[in-house]
Amino acid sequence: KAGVTQTPRYLIKTRGQQVTLSCSPISGHRSVSWYQQTPGQGLQFLFEYFSETQRNKGNFPGRFSGRQFSNSRSEMNVSTLELGDSALYLCASSLGLVLSTDTQYFGPGTRLTVL
Amino acid sequence: AQSVTQLGSHVSVSEGALVLLRCNYSSSVPPYLFWYVQYPNQGLQLLLKYTSAATLVKGINGFEAEFKKSETSFHLTKPSAHMSDAAEYFCAVSEGTGNQFYFGTGTSLTVIP
Repeated sequence: KAGVTQTPRYLIKTRGQQVTLSCSPISGHRSVSWYQQTPGQGLQFLFEYFSETQRNKGNFPGRFSGRQFSNSRSEMNVSTLELGDSALYLCASSLGLVLSTDTQYFGPGTRLTVL
Repeated sequence: AQSVTQLGSHVSVSEGALVLLRCNYSSSVPPYLFWYVQYPNQGLQLLLKYTSAATLVKGINGFEAEFKKSETSFHLTKPSAHMSDAAEYFCAVSEGTGNQFYFGTGTSLTVIP
């Protein structure tokens, strides 16, 4: 099976712009979770989508949003970018039956740099 | 609220020596615990997970971890380090109902030849 793919791998934006990141889960997986990884804060949970619905949400401002399509592909959008949004954004997919015990499979991430 | 503490942001061991990476958690309910490994420029890969079955969990690449409720710990060990074990290791905790994952800040493992 193909793994989790994320596009693009690298992205450079300027403050105030918006950005959309894409994640394609492993075939058959219905849950997609997003994480932000920074040197200072480590890995932080953004949100999780299951069957096109946001099922869980972390403590991030409303500038961070996402959606999931019927084929389980997911997109994450960040509006009004700030310097602090520079990070590695990781996507993880799982079967989605019970997120807390599922094995999550991570993609390679999208490296976002905000100038 | 849950949290995960990984003691030691950097650990160095000699090739062939014991690897011990420490993880302590706080949780108000029985937790589910995970160890992930991250190689440079890659995503995270699951090493092992504890989901209330056997307290000693064996994972991939010779790693294992023991859940100790009394110590609220889930330390990761490997009897003999290999050069290929050099990576970043993350401990994570989740609850049955919360459906959120909380990761530790990571431990960077260096293996000295």
